[in-house]
Amino acid sequence: EAEVAQSPRYKITEKSQAVAFWCDPISGHATLYWYRQILGQGPELLVQFQDESVVDDSQLPKDRFSAERLKGVDSTLKIQPAELGDSAMYLCASSPSPGQANTEAFFGQGTRLTVV
Amino acid sequence: DAKTTQPPSMDCAEGRAANLPCNHSTISGNEYVYWYRQIHSQGPQYIIHGLKNNETNEMASLIITEDRKSSTLILPHATLRDTAVYYCIVRVNTGGFKTIFGAGTRLFVKA
Repeated sequence: EAEVAQSPRYKITEKSQAVAFWCDPISGHATLYWYRQILGQGPELLVQFQDESVVDDSQLPKDRFSAERLKGVDSTLKIQPAELGDSAMYLCASSPSPGQANTEAFFGQGTRLTVV
Repeated sequence: DAKTTQPPSMDCAEGRAANLPCNHSTISGNEYVYWYRQIHSQGPQYIIHGLKNNETNEMASLIITEDRKSSTLILPHATLRDTAVYYCIVRVNTGGFKTIFGAGTRLFVKA
């Protein structure tokens, strides 16, 4: 069964350092999402891509966070510099192009970030 | 996307049906009801979705009231592995998946 792949699974970094997460969506899925989930809360959307274009990054803290999906396939989320409050689970999800009947999102296992 | 209200936690005995309620009184006519669950330290897993009619799949049943202001997810024979946080979401089924998750319901299935 096709899955959304994320790496690394866990990451510990010191505050003020740079950190990056990688996501490979299900093949053929044009839409890709990055979510942040703080412990005890539901996932919060950070950014949504349609192919290589950003369609929604209204919740992305752009002073320190950046996301790219250069070839419209895999994606990278970067934080620079990391802050203690960035400690969370970072989830990637993908879904088929808008308009297709089954448009549920499929999630990866996430990257758990701890900033020390 | 409309907001949803769910109880923070529920218990269920193993082998019994688990009925998880969700209120979505501001739902629009073109918004679907989706359910996801998240087992500890894993990504959310899709369960089921529906618009007006009741839906059933191999995992669960979804009952939507006639006025569509509330719904119930039914796990017919809960097992210990169904212990998870269950999220009820309403969204338009076009234009991508800008999902807004709330806090969900933490379901504890007990032996």
